Amino acid sequence: EVQLVESGGGLVQPGGSLKLSCAASGFTFSGSAMHWVRQASGKGLEWVGRIRSKANSYATAYAASVKGRFTISRDDSKNTAYLQMNSLKTEDTAVYYCTRYYSSGWSFDYWGQGTLVTVSS
Amino acid sequence: DIQLTQSPSFLSASVGDRVTITCRASQGISSYLAWYQQKPGKAPKLLIYAASTLQSGVPSRFSGSGSGTEFTLTISSLQPEDFATYYCQQLNSYRITFGQGTRLEIK
Repeated sequence: EVQLVESGGGLVQPGGSLKLSCAASGFTFSGSAMHWVRQASGKGLEWVGRIRSKANSYATAYAASVKGRFTISRDDSKNTAYLQMNSLKTEDTAVYYCTRYYSSGWSFDYWGQGTLVTVSS
Repeated sequence: DIQLTQSPSFLSASVGDRVTITCRASQGISSYLAWYQQKPGKAPKLLIYAASTLQSGVPSRFSGSGSGTEFTLTISSLQPEDFATYYCQQLNSYRITFGQGTRLEIK
């Protein structure tokens, strides 16, 4: 059974940093691209960024709203993806989901349960 | 970035109704479009990928069509568990985007 479990969310002050983790199981993590998506309360879904597999040089890409502040990484030995968030703003407050990219179907076929990040003073 | 516009944003319908949600892209995206269903407090669930392919385990009352810039999600006969918010998503460009969502409520 595929599972994605996010952790690391919490309350942080504006300008602060937080690192989220996404622990994966039930599939070949090393061969999969992983994405992060966020959702502010009562709002729609916003793609945050992604990291590809080793075979694709661990290439990353980010939404314009987070580029330069957020960094996605992965540790294939731990089956875990990470989202390092720096210089956080109040508008970064959201539930953050990690997702698996389904390469054969150009979609996100598995999602974690999400972790809440609140940026507030 | 490619913009996706869903219509309507809100839809009120009854059990048994046939409903259609439209997603329009600001530029052509071939068939790189997916549809998701989200219920309150839950993660989104993949329904349709590659514009028209039903994800495994998804009921056949859901169907998708379209290519280029205009796409539709159709639910042939609404069931009580279908009342949720639906999102389209494009994966044609490296910066992925979602539509703003369509909230489907019981009339």
